[in-house]
Amino acid sequence: GEDVEQSLFLSVREGDSSVINCTYTDSSSTYLYWYKQEPGAGLQLLTYIFSNMDMKQDQRLTVLLNKKDKHLSLRIADTQTGDSAIYFCAETAGSARQLTFGSGTQLTVLP
Amino acid sequence: ETGVTQTPRHLVMGMTNKKSLKCEQHLGHNAMYWYKQSAKKPLELMFVYNFKEQTENNSVPSRFSPECPNSSHLFLHLHTLQPEDSALYLCASSQVIGETQYFGPGTRLLVL
Repeated sequence: GEDVEQSLFLSVREGDSSVINCTYTDSSSTYLYWYKQEPGAGLQLLTYIFSNMDMKQDQRLTVLLNKKDKHLSLRIADTQTGDSAIYFCAETAGSARQLTFGSGTQLTVLP
Repeated sequence: ETGVTQTPRHLVMGMTNKKSLKCEQHLGHNAMYWYKQSAKKPLELMFVYNFKEQTENNSVPSRFSPECPNSSHLFLHLHTLQPEDSALYLCASSQVIGETQYFGPGTRLLVL
C-alpha cells in the first residue's frame, strides 16, 4: 500500500537552513509535493517535483528526490520566523492518482 | 489567495443539527475533493468529484453527504454527527484528477 512518512518535529535557529525529510513506499509515484500549513489555515502548495527529476530549486526552497531510496527532502535556506508551520509531504501514485499525505513536520524557527 | 474558498470558516453544531459546508473554486478546475484533518492523523480523503460525478467515497459514514451541482461548487451536508467528527474539513480542486491540488482554508468543525 501507499505510505508516506515524516519526522514530527524540527527546530532551527533563524537564518539557518532547514531540511525536512520524507520517505514514501509507492514506486509508481508520479508527482511529489510539499505543502505548508500555518495555524488555523488550509494547505498552501509550496512546490512539487516530477518523479523523473532529482532536484528542483525555487528561490529559498530546494527539493531533492532520491528515487532509488524513495526519499524526498525540502531544504529552506535562511529560515525565517514566518517559515514556522507544518510541512506536509505528499505523493500522487497508484491507478486512482490520489494524493497520499504524510503526517506533517512541525517546523519551529527560534530567534 | 482566493482560488478556493470555503464557508463557514468555523462551525459549532450539536449532534442533532443539520448543517452544510460550502466550497467554491475560481480556478476553472474540473475535479474537487473533500478531506478531513483530525489532530495527530494524516489527512484523510473523503470524496472525489470529477466533472460533477462522484468517483471516490473512502468508506465515509452516511451522516456525511456530498453534493456537486457544478464543477465550481462542492457541498458537504452534515447530519447527526458525532463528537469524533470534530475536525478541520478541507476542500481542494485540481484541473483533472491526478493533477496538482489547490486547497481552501478549511472549515473548523466542532460537534458538541
